[in-house]
Amino acid sequence: GAGVSQSPSNKVTEKGKDVELRCDPISGHTALYWYRQSLGQGLEFLIYFQGNSAPDKSGLPSDRFSAERTGGSVSTLTIQRTQQEDSAVYLCASSFQGAYYGYTFGSGTRLTVV
Amino acid sequence: DQQVKQNSPSLSVQEGRISILNCDYTNSMFDYFLWYKKYPAEGPTFLISISSIKDKNEDGRFTVFLNKSAKHLSLHIVPSQPGDSAVYFCAASAGATGGYQKVTFGIGTKLQVIP
Repeated sequence: GAGVSQSPSNKVTEKGKDVELRCDPISGHTALYWYRQSLGQGLEFLIYFQGNSAPDKSGLPSDRFSAERTGGSVSTLTIQRTQQEDSAVYLCASSFQGAYYGYTFGSGTRLTVV
Repeated sequence: DQQVKQNSPSLSVQEGRISILNCDYTNSMFDYFLWYKKYPAEGPTFLISISSIKDKNEDGRFTVFLNKSAKHLSLHIVPSQPGDSAVYFCAASAGATGGYQKVTFGIGTKLQVIP
């Protein structure tokens, strides 16, 4: 596609429920990144994919968070047993290579855990 | 531990004047720096970058200055326009050899350009 597409754009869920966030990167971009921005905070790195593998998942805050990427394209970030502190905007970005060329971000998914 | 610091949460500037956004970093391994701009309800967009082998990079109205000894960089916007009103994120990475480098972002500075 023309840009990075994320769905849903907004998600309200009850505490304890599982959620899945989807990212469809720019076609041909081999690198994919997930970040999140909590209220009043900067962009927090979560995980990096190169193709279907995740060489860097050091930013995942707990084992309730997991992500996968299939076909070198679409990625899904799953949060199990959501907590209120998981409320944030989850941003996906993709690029041909690393930071040298700048990332292209999607518009994000605003997750609210009530 | 914030490795990329943007100490000014907000900045207001008159249209036509210069906007200067500042950023400090603590990790001496950072060797590539970027600025992103973010409008409400949109993702950040890449604006301009600079490698540590340079001290200045210019792109139209936007110039980034890097002072490695002070671990400080700044983004200058001249002249400022109302459409520049956005949140600006400073970002940095280490290991400028191409391929993957984790990018660390600051918390952003909200710029308001007053017509």
